[in-house]
Amino acid sequence: EVQLVQSGAEVKKPGESLRISCKGSGYIFSKYWISWVRQTPGKGLEWMGRIDPSDSYANYSPSFQGHVTISVDRSISTVYLQWSSLEASDTAIFYCATHYLLRGVFDYWGQGTLVTVS
Amino acid sequence: EIVLTQSPGTLSLSPGERATLSCRASQRISSIYLAWYQQKPGQAPRLLIYEADTRASGIPDRFSGSGSGTDFTLTISRLEPEDCAVYYCQQYGSSPLYTFGQGTKLEIK
Repeated sequence: EVQLVQSGAEVKKPGESLRISCKGSGYIFSKYWISWVRQTPGKGLEWMGRIDPSDSYANYSPSFQGHVTISVDRSISTVYLQWSSLEASDTAIFYCATHYLLRGVFDYWGQGTLVTVS
Repeated sequence: EIVLTQSPGTLSLSPGERATLSCRASQRISSIYLAWYQQKPGQAPRLLIYEADTRASGIPDRFSGSGSGTDFTLTISRLEPEDCAVYYCQQYGSSPLYTFGQGTKLEIK
């Protein structure tokens, strides 16, 4: 069974750094892209970027380019989303999701990580 | 950027009725790159339909998708109480690679 398990909720102050994680299991981890999706009450669901675990190549939405970094540790089947300097506007729920069936869809999702910056 | 506009914003129907949810794209998109998701409170979105009309694994046949070009529809026949959720359409292929509609909230009376 394909599963994505995300790290727990975080409360941070503006200017702090943060890294949240997403661990995949039940499938060949390096074979399928993983994306990060942000959800806020104001802007809904927004795709942030995706990474190919086989070669660590990541590409980003223009809205998030330069503000976040997506990385992978294949040895522990884990993808990361990190910020070097958080802003209050980064407060959101963040989901990781695989492109297992097709690259065009998000077919398996993590449970979400709530990040509060205040 | 392709903008997906969903309507109505909220839909309130009774069990057993039929729900018709619309997703309109600001530019023509290929049907193979249009998907629908269901999100219940406190849960992650769940893939319902991909390639505009193909049900994902385990999705009941009460859910169906249709459409092409710029107009797509999710239909839920014979509504059940557990269908209460927010439904999102999503496209793939245009920069940014993926965009979502703003969602339609389905209420079951």
